[in-house]
Amino acid sequence: EVQLVESGGVVVQPGGSLRLSCAASGFTFDDYTMHWVRQAPGKGLEWVSLISWDGGSTYYADSVKGRFTISRDNSKNSLYLQMNSLRTEDTALYYCAKALYEGVDYWGQGTLVTVSS
Amino acid sequence: SYELTQPPSVSVSPGQTARITCSGDALPKQYAYWYQQKPGQAPVLVIYKDSERPSGIPERFSGSSSGTTVTLTISGVQAEDEADYYCQSADSSGTYENVVFGGGTKLTVL
Repeated sequence: EVQLVESGGVVVQPGGSLRLSCAASGFTFDDYTMHWVRQAPGKGLEWVSLISWDGGSTYYADSVKGRFTISRDNSKNSLYLQMNSLRTEDTALYYCAKALYEGVDYWGQGTLVTVSS
Repeated sequence: SYELTQPPSVSVSPGQTARITCSGDALPKQYAYWYQQKPGQAPVLVIYKDSERPSGIPERFSGSSSGTTVTLTISGVQAEDEADYYCQSADSSGTYENVVFGGGTKLTVL
């Protein structure tokens, strides 16, 4: 059974930093591209970033480019999102997700990031 | 930036057919994916590569594509199908540089 478990979401002040983690199990982690997708309270889904199976390619939404960094450790079956220079508009539930072609076939339950003074 | 456009809401009676559209200029060249999200839950993939149905998804869910519009069809809608539905695709560059979700459609079962 595929499982994706996010952690690291907390309340942080504007301008602060945070690192999210996602522990993956139930599939061969290093075979798959992985995504981060977020959802602000009461809003729709917003793609944030993705990383290729080997970490060699990364892509970002314009809204986070230059502030967020995606990475992975295949030896630990883990995905990460380093978030710097956080803004109030980054407040959201952050989902870790496993790629299926250009889409996503499995999602975690999310970790909540709140940016507030 | 690339956008996918969905109607904000669709309403149908139980047993009827619901059709949710998603429009985008790159859809003739890129596959679309559809997700169902119920309140307080993570999204669930219901259609991939325009019209493929993952295992475990009921046969009443189907997808189709025509030009710049893709459509999610739910035949014989049931009360449990009430949810938000999102389409997702990428722009026509052929890379992941612009993965995008539609704004979502709230399906109400009357």
